[in-house]
Amino acid sequence: EDQVTQSPEALRLQEGESSSLNCSYTVSGLRGLFWYRQDPGKGPEFLFTLYSAGEEKEKERLKATLTKKESFLHITAPKPEDSATYLCAVRSNDYKLSFGAGTTVTVRA
Amino acid sequence: DVKVTQSSRYLVKRTGEKVFLECVQDMDHENMFWYRQDPGLGLRLIYFSYDVKMKEKGDIPEGYSVSREKKERFSLILESASTNQTSMYLCASSYRATGELFFGEGSRLTVL
Repeated sequence: EDQVTQSPEALRLQEGESSSLNCSYTVSGLRGLFWYRQDPGKGPEFLFTLYSAGEEKEKERLKATLTKKESFLHITAPKPEDSATYLCAVRSNDYKLSFGAGTTVTVRA
Repeated sequence: DVKVTQSSRYLVKRTGEKVFLECVQDMDHENMFWYRQDPGLGLRLIYFSYDVKMKEKGDIPEGYSVSREKKERFSLILESASTNQTSMYLCASSYRATGELFFGEGSRLTVL
């Protein structure tokens, strides 16, 4: 069974204080690792897809990296608008995605 | 822009009632999904469909059924609602070749 574990559960940052979120996974045949952002009361919004170890993707202050066992989402110089829950998911050999429980990030001005 | 529309944002039902949650997508996606989201448990897959009239059980299908009569519409049915089905329900769709899901806004169901 595919498993995805995210840490920490919650992260409180001061504006401008960079940090990283972790997503560790076990999957039978990785067909992609996905990061989503979810604002309160809304559905998740797609951020990145990573397919192979060593791959990196960037979007504004966010950078996602992938190894064979985990992925990191780095937030550089965060702003209050980066406050959200960040979800990690893995896709194996079928059409399903398995999600982690998420990391809730709060950025204080 | 891809749009996934869920018919009801908030519902309150009584134990034993039949509940229908409707989802429509406008981008001709082959795959559609129903998840439930609970604090601390993340998103758990209830059912998914990769084609019209096709359905596959996810990780927690008990107490639920689905219907996909048209490509753009995927319905989740609770035959007899129970209090442990109080949750946020999220519909999503994707192209078959990618795993990038597009989610609706969610339907928050409370069963009393």
